[in-house]
Amino acid sequence: AQTVTQSQPEMSVQEAETVTLSCTYDTSESNYYLFWYKQPPSRQMILVIRQEAYKQQNATENRFSVNFQKAAKSFSLKISDSQLGDTAMYFCAFIYNSGNTPLVFGKGTRLSVIA
Amino acid sequence: DADVTQTPRNRITKTGKRIMLECSQTKGHDRMYWYRQDPGLGLRLIYYSFDVKDINKGEISDGYSVSRQAQAKFSLSLESAIPNQTALYFCATSDRNPGTGKYNEQFFGPGTRLTVL
Repeated sequence: AQTVTQSQPEMSVQEAETVTLSCTYDTSESNYYLFWYKQPPSRQMILVIRQEAYKQQNATENRFSVNFQKAAKSFSLKISDSQLGDTAMYFCAFIYNSGNTPLVFGKGTRLSVIA
Repeated sequence: DADVTQTPRNRITKTGKRIMLECSQTKGHDRMYWYRQDPGLGLRLIYYSFDVKDINKGEISDGYSVSRQAQAKFSLSLESAIPNQTALYFCATSDRNPGTGKYNEQFFGPGTRLTVL
């Protein structure tokens, strides 16, 4: 079964700085999707960014971008110009391309943005 | 209005009580999921349903049961609640991506905070 590992339980960053959250995963398949979800104190799960494994280009969404290294099975999230509203738990997640198995989540990284 | 709703949002109960958590969606998605979130453990899958007649156990189904009453409704029951079932519970849905025909992204409800005393 696939696993997702987030090795940083907690991180902090100064407002306006850049921070990178790490995620690695283990799979023998080549077609899959990767996601970063954000969970602010409101506890709502919000999709931040999506990456399709067959696409070599790294996904970007405004201040959020990923560094997808397929061979290394690494999927890090970079947050530029960090804002106080970025304070949240961040979860990395994986699903096979078929979609016939559910999402597998990492244990999360708690990010604190400091003014 | 929210696309995925969960009731109740918060619940405190006692050991041994039967509890039902309800999830409804207006997205028209055919797949629905129940997750449990504990500090330091992330989200773990309890049960999932690919359609009304298809129910599957997840990673941590012991002590839980589910009912898919309709495409839009998926309920989670704790037959006899115990303190270590104190957690945040999420319902989620998914559907085929119209571009790829694949299921991928999941849409989450607001969560139910359950405390078992």
